[in-house]
Amino acid sequence: GGIITQTPKFLIGQEGQKLTLKCQQNFNHDTMYWYRQDSGKGLRLIYYSITENDLQKGDLSEGYDASREKKSSFSLTVTSAQKNEMAVFLCASSGVAEQFFGPGTRLTVL
Amino acid sequence: GEKVEQHESTLSVREGDSAVINCTYTDTASSYFPWYKQEAGKGLHFVIDIRSNVDRKQSQRLIVLLDKKAKRFSLHITATQPEDSAIYFCAASGAFMTGNYKYVFGAGTRLKVIA
Repeated sequence: GGIITQTPKFLIGQEGQKLTLKCQQNFNHDTMYWYRQDSGKGLRLIYYSITENDLQKGDLSEGYDASREKKSSFSLTVTSAQKNEMAVFLCASSGVAEQFFGPGTRLTVL
Repeated sequence: GEKVEQHESTLSVREGDSAVINCTYTDTASSYFPWYKQEAGKGLHFVIDIRSNVDRKQSQRLIVLLDKKAKRFSLHITATQPEDSAIYFCAASGAFMTGNYKYVFGAGTRLKVIA
């Protein structure tokens, strides 16, 4: 089996700060995803990538950038953190159907 | 675009009883319906899925039903145990082969199994 690693596990930032979250997978999957999870709102897709160097916007891409420099890694940047923002960011990867998820990065903005 | 509604936001059942979580979707092109479980502080863990070419699938204590006409699918957890307590998410997706890689998730159902 494979594993998805997300770093850091907890991220505390200041308002207006640029923050980067990282994701690594060893499934050798082509497609990777970034989701934002807010309490009571399920998961919303921020960006996804179907292959190295590909980027596709999800429903929530405004305020974020992403980068897929190699097949195994997918980074997400919060371009300007919003005060009092709290959310969990989940990374996932998939082959032909099922998505596998990482443990998440919990973001708090002071 | 596709919208998925998960009807129960919370659900409490007694240990040993069955739990049923219902979801509806809007896009008739959706053909793949996975379910995920999330325990406190963790990511999502796949539990079972169903494709549109069948209307029922069972894996041990988990049963998924799909009613394409009503655009409704449901997760049945039989003989519930305390370790089934978690948040469950349904999702809908089109066919990967047509280039649709996106899942649309429901808002989640918090299941509590009372001993």
